[in-house]
This record gives sequence, structure tokens and C-alpha cells, in this order.
Amino acid sequence: KQEVTQIPAALSVPEGENLVLNCSFTDSAIYNLQWFRQDPGKGLTSLLLIQSSQREQTSGRLNASLDKSSGRSTLYIAASQPGDSATYLCAVRLNAGGTSYGKLTFGQGTILTVHP
Amino acid sequence: EAQVTQNPRYLITVTGKKLTVTCSQNMNHEYMSWYRQDPGLGLRQIYYSMNVEVTDKGDVPEGYKVSRKEKRNFPLILESPSPNQTSLYFCASSLGGLAPLHFGNGTRLTVT
Repeated sequence: KQEVTQIPAALSVPEGENLVLNCSFTDSAIYNLQWFRQDPGKGLTSLLLIQSSQREQTSGRLNASLDKSSGRSTLYIAASQPGDSATYLCAVRLNAGGTSYGKLTFGQGTILTVHP
Repeated sequence: EAQVTQNPRYLITVTGKKLTVTCSQNMNHEYMSWYRQDPGLGLRQIYYSMNVEVTDKGDVPEGYKVSRKEKRNFPLILESPSPNQTSLYFCASSLGGLAPLHFGNGTRLTVT
């Protein structure tokens, strides 16, 4: 069974710092990995999606990398801002044949606080 | 505006009283799915649907039912709710199984 772990569980940094969030998964047979942001009391917002054949994706100050063979992904946030404060989650789609790619497994998230 | 709409946002009910949480998307997405989010357990998938009349179990399907009679709607049915189904529920959709997921704003369910 796929297990997804995110480290650290919480992170507090001063504004302006570059930071890295980690996501690891136990089964490398994945279709893709997606990073989300969740604000308190809100739904999840998609940040970046990396297909299994890709190594990284970039959007603005965000860069996500994927090393499928080692079961790891990192989300890099450059020049952090207080508005980046949220919970960040990663999720992987299974690749086990048939319609298995409909199954998603989430990590428990990293709570990020960026203070002015 | 492209969106996933869940109703209701908040629901308090009693054990055993059947309820339905609705989910609708206006993006013509083929894939839809339901999740529950619990402290310490994170987000767990309940059911998903690859297309109309095609549904499959996620990791925690016990006590839930779904149906996909039309593309835009994917209701979650609790036939006999129990207190352990108290949770925050999310519906999501995507254009195909490999595209980015779009989430609704959630339904907070309390079963007493």
C-alpha cells in the first residue's frame, strides 16, 4: 500500500527565506505527483503537477522536483512571504494498471508559517 | 466561473439519519472523487469515478455510497451515519485521471 510522508510537519521561517518542503512515497509506481496548498477552513488549491516522466515543474517562485526512483519530491519556495503561510500537501497517483490511477494518496502536510 | 460546488457547507445530524452531500462541477470533468480529512490522519480517499456510471473504492469506502448518473454530479450518500463519520469532506474533479485536481470548499459534517 502506498504511503506518503511529508517532512517537516511544521516549519516557521522569517520572510525572505528560501525553503524546501519534502515529500516521500514508498511505491515508485506512480503516474504523477501533485502539490497543493490549503488555507485554514478552505479547500485545496493545486500548485504544481509533475508527471512521472518529468523531473521538475516551475510556477513563479515555486519549483517542484521529482525523483521517482528514490521516491522523493521537493517543493522549493523562493523568497518566502507571509502570504505563503498555509499547509502544503503532496499527493501521488497510483500506477498499478486498469483504473488504479484514479486512486490518490496524500501526505499529512507541512504547516508553513512565514513571519514578517 | 469554473468551480466545484459542495452543499451543504455545514451539517449536523444524528446517528442513523440518511444524508446526502452533493458535489457538482461545471468544467465538464470526467474524473471526480471524495475525500475525508481528519486531524492526525490527513486526507483519505473515499470513492472516485473515472466517468459516468464508473465508480471505484478509495481507501476508506466503508459506510459510504456514491453514484455518477451524470457527468457534472457526484453525490456522497451516508445511509446510516455514525459518529465516526464526523469529519471534513472534500469533493474534487479533474479533466481525466492525470490532470490537476480542483477541490470544492468542503463540507463539515457532525454526527451526534
